[in-house]
Amino acid sequence: AQSVSQHNHHVILSEAASLELGCNYSYGGTVNLFWYVQYPGQHLQLLLKYFSGDPLVKGIKGFEAEFIKSKFSFNLRKPSVQWSDTAEYFCAVMYSSASKIIFGSGTRLSIRP
Amino acid sequence: GAGVSQSPSNKVTEKGKDVELRCDPISGHTALYWYRQSLGQGLEFLIYFQGNSAPDKSGLPSDRFSAERTGGSVSTLTIQRTQQEDSAVYLCASSGRDGRSNTGELFFGEGSRLTVL
Repeated sequence: AQSVSQHNHHVILSEAASLELGCNYSYGGTVNLFWYVQYPGQHLQLLLKYFSGDPLVKGIKGFEAEFIKSKFSFNLRKPSVQWSDTAEYFCAVMYSSASKIIFGSGTRLSIRP
Repeated sequence: GAGVSQSPSNKVTEKGKDVELRCDPISGHTALYWYRQSLGQGLEFLIYFQGNSAPDKSGLPSDRFSAERTGGSVSTLTIQRTQQEDSAVYLCASSGRDGRSNTGELFFGEGSRLTVL
């Protein structure tokens, strides 16, 4: 079955620390990959996306993600987090065979000022 | 409108009542998705529309749940005989096309928070 796993449920970091959030998906052929962010009290918004080409993609607010096809992974990274990055982060996968978009369970990121 | 609009934003209902949740997608977006977000949970896929048809209804939890889309635009999610476990935020998102393919980039509404007493 098609599935997306985010193994970190809650991550707590201090400001300026580096961040890496894991995302793995089950095999299902060609995929489009996404990270969405939900800031407190706000609706979900796109952080970055990968369709094809360079597997290292850059998004808003200094975030980046790397698609590693052999590992079925699309981990999110940021070299130095800020307090304003406190939010919930969701990885999502669209399997081209289905157009259904499946989300991971989310990772809550808390940043200590 | 400029974004995805959902109504009502909040709905409190008694167990056993029916509820309807509405989603007005971004104009021109052909794909429309419904998700459910429960406290502490991720986004649970419910149903996906391409135009007026629903190629994938696999996520609907039970036959109490149904959805339709008319005119390739507005969608309504109906929950019959609501139960307490239906309490959640119901999110709608729409997506456009790039050529012949759905891009998969979702634009979300604010959600409809349903509380079943």
